[in-house]
Amino acid sequence: DVKVTQSSRYLVKRTGEKVFLECVQDMDHENMFWYRQDPGLGLRLIYFSYDVKMKEKGDIPEGYSVSREKKERFSLILESASTNQTSMYLCASSSPREQYFGPGTRLTVT
Amino acid sequence: SQQGEEDPQALSIQEGENATMNCSYKTSINNLQWYRQNSGRGLVHLILIRSNEREKHSGRLRVTLDTSKKSSSLLITASRAADTASYFCATLNRGSTLGRLYFGRGTQLTVWP
Repeated sequence: DVKVTQSSRYLVKRTGEKVFLECVQDMDHENMFWYRQDPGLGLRLIYFSYDVKMKEKGDIPEGYSVSREKKERFSLILESASTNQTSMYLCASSSPREQYFGPGTRLTVT
Repeated sequence: SQQGEEDPQALSIQEGENATMNCSYKTSINNLQWYRQNSGRGLVHLILIRSNEREKHSGRLRVTLDTSKKSSSLLITASRAADTASYFCATLNRGSTLGRLYFGRGTQLTVWP
């Protein structure tokens, strides 16, 4: 069964902290994605990766970076967390047919 | 940027009724997909319709696509309380590489027992 896992379901961090969100997929997919989801705004793409060490900016990359050292793992990094980065973060990997999502990480920055 | 726009934003119906959600988009597409999201969870793929298809069925789901109007609809027949969720359309745009999808803002469906 297809599986995308995210390191935490809930996370609380302080302003200015460096935050790592981890995503792991077990389907050998090349493409992986990070979204954030806010009420009324739907899903917005932060970054995506199409191969190890390869990445592309999405629509809202500011304040974020990513790392993909291994095919199965795609990390989202908040270099210096701010309160406006409080959100639900969703990771996905994709087959040619569909995207598979992790359960999400609800991040609160205080 | 979003591509699809769902309508209505919220829909409230009784069990047993049908639920129809619409999606409009702006550019040429390879396919259009519908996803479901239960509260506080990730999205789950429901159905995909290719640009050369007009209608597709899967269980109680029926999807139509009108590429001339750049619109799609998702019909859930004989709805159940368990269908309560948010529903998103997503497009794979023509010429798009890397499998990037463009999601709408979603329709919140509430089905009352």
